[in-house]
Amino acid sequence: QAQLQQWGAGLVKPSETLSLTCAVYSGPFSGFYWTWIRQLPGKGLEWIGEINHSGDTNYNPSLKTRVIISVDTPKNQFSLNLKSVTAADTGVYYCARGSSYASNGHRYDPGWFGPWGQGTLATVSS
Amino acid sequence: QSVLTQPPSASGTPGQRVTISCSGSSSNLRSNSAYWYQQLPGTAPKLLIYTNYQRPSGVPDRFSGSKSGTSASLAISGLRPDDEADYFCAAWDDTLRGPVFGGGTKLTVL
Repeated sequence: QAQLQQWGAGLVKPSETLSLTCAVYSGPFSGFYWTWIRQLPGKGLEWIGEINHSGDTNYNPSLKTRVIISVDTPKNQFSLNLKSVTAADTGVYYCARGSSYASNGHRYDPGWFGPWGQGTLATVSS
Repeated sequence: QSVLTQPPSASGTPGQRVTISCSGSSSNLRSNSAYWYQQLPGTAPKLLIYTNYQRPSGVPDRFSGSKSGTSASLAISGLRPDDEADYFCAAWDDTLRGPVFGGGTKLTVL
């Protein structure tokens, strides 16, 4: 069973970039979408975006202009960069294994997320 | 404001059966499966139900899911104190081309 461990700065200044990295231990890295999801205070979960081992990405349109998700396949790691942050971006950020997919692009269980990283509380404040 | 709509709270006493609803639209729940997550305080969400009603290995059969039209439901029978948690629904959205979540329902076991 894969295990995910994430790390990154917990305090980010307004207008700067929030950067987080997630490492995947055990289990296959290819064949899955690796995902970032955030939970803002008092709100539900929000999908930020995803990447596969080849570097193919998909982003939430509401965040697309500020997000870059990258992958380091040899290290089984993927990263999130969210630029131009404001206080509204304060929340808990999770990495998670997303859906698996076939060679023709078909997704299996597109709402399946797990395992998850432990979460990182990112606070945007000067 | 979340794309999927859930009641903010639900409650029940030990042993009771409670149901949590999740309302969506034609772009998500009508044509795609529902998923449910349980989030215990201070922890990451955990998958509880996938593809509308299926349970991952290790999830007790006290938890069950269903879907009809643009709505889905999670039922918990034989309520236990350690079921007290936040519950989220999720589904793929064809317009967003990504997953969407509900705002979460806080379940209190009285």
